[in-house]
Amino acid sequence: EDQVTQSPEALRLQEGESSSLNCSYTVSGLRGLFWYRQDPGKGPEFLFTLYSAGEEKEKERLKATLTKKESFLHITAPKPEDSATYLCAVRGASGGSYIPTFGRGTSLIVHP
Amino acid sequence: NAGVTQTPKFQVLKTGQSMTLQCAQDMNHEYMSWYRQDPGMGLRLIHYSVGAGITDQGEVPNGYNVSRSTTEDFPLRLLSAAPSQTSVYFCASGPRDTGELFFGEGSRLTVL
Repeated sequence: EDQVTQSPEALRLQEGESSSLNCSYTVSGLRGLFWYRQDPGKGPEFLFTLYSAGEEKEKERLKATLTKKESFLHITAPKPEDSATYLCAVRGASGGSYIPTFGRGTSLIVHP
Repeated sequence: NAGVTQTPKFQVLKTGQSMTLQCAQDMNHEYMSWYRQDPGMGLRLIHYSVGAGITDQGEVPNGYNVSRSTTEDFPLRLLSAAPSQTSVYFCASGPRDTGELFFGEGSRLTVL
């Protein structure tokens, strides 16, 4: 069974204070690791897909990296508008391989 | 593009009533799914579909019914609402091969 654990559950940063969110996973045959952003009262918004260890993707102040056991979402010099819940999901090769398994998310608050 | 459209955004039901949450997507995605999101529980998969005429159960299917008569539409039916079904419901669609999901804005359901 695929499993995703995100840490920390909540993170408070000052504006400009860089940090990282962690997504640890176990999966049989990784077919994609996904990062989403969710604003309060909204649906999750797709950010990145990573497929293999060593891969990196960037978007503005966000950079996602992937190893064989975990992914990090690095936030460089965050701004208050980066405040959101960040969700990680994996899709494996076993069973219903269309179905991603989601973590419970990290709630990020960036104070001005 | 409209993307994924869910209706209604808010609904209050009495125990035992039935209703349908509507979901439509205009991206020609094969894969569509319904999730519920509860505090501390993350996203839980209710039902999913990999194409018109094909549906399958997710993690928490009891009390819900789905059908997929067209590529665009994937309605979720609550057969006899219970207070335990109070939640925020998200419809998501995506390409079957790459795995990323595009979510609707959500439907907040309260069952009294």
